[in-house]
Amino acid sequence: GQQLNQSPQSMFIQEGEDVSMNCTSSSIFNTWLWYKQDPGEGPVLLIALYKAGELTSNGRLTAQFGITRKDSFLNISASIPSDVGIYFCAGPANTGNQFYFGTGTSLTVIP
Amino acid sequence: SQTIHQWPATLVQPVGSPLSLECTVEGTSNPNLYWYRQAAGRGLQLLFYSVGIGQISSEVPQNLSASRPQDRQFILSSKKLLLSDSGFYLCAWSEGLVAFGSLHFGNGTRLTVT
Repeated sequence: GQQLNQSPQSMFIQEGEDVSMNCTSSSIFNTWLWYKQDPGEGPVLLIALYKAGELTSNGRLTAQFGITRKDSFLNISASIPSDVGIYFCAGPANTGNQFYFGTGTSLTVIP
Repeated sequence: SQTIHQWPATLVQPVGSPLSLECTVEGTSNPNLYWYRQAAGRGLQLLFYSVGIGQISSEVPQNLSASRPQDRQFILSSKKLLLSDSGFYLCAWSEGLVAFGSLHFGNGTRLTVT
């Protein structure tokens, strides 16, 4: 199946700092999805990207669909304590009905 | 708008007991439905998915089974739980063409097998 490599695995940052994380694949995706999961809850969709090169923002979050269609980036500006959680990238299979997920980036924001 | 309901939120079951987790979706028809398991807060493992009533695809051979008795209902079951079945179970749905779609999750069930 299509594999997603997500990095970094974890991040510890000071409140107010910017955050960058990325996701790469060995095969192309037609859609890139970014999720955030709070402890004990299901992942929540943050941003969906549907076109190569697309740059989409959701408040302080900005995500980009890589030109090669094999990568995507998520940036968080001016982090705040409620940004704490695990961030997952994901992409739907080009054929079939599965969604593939990265291994997640655990974000800790130090006040 | 579409909503997904998953219950129970937490469950503690002894080894060897049966399991039934239920998930329903509202506000859409003929959704694709999914069961994922997450261990230790990371790594979403796809267990089953369904594209229609009675149609179940299994991704990982295991002690679990899934059924879709109605269009918007998805059930995860086991006849006899193992300790290794402990984990966080997530139901999810998508609609339309998967290659250009997105996945929406329920709030999960924390299962502890003792």
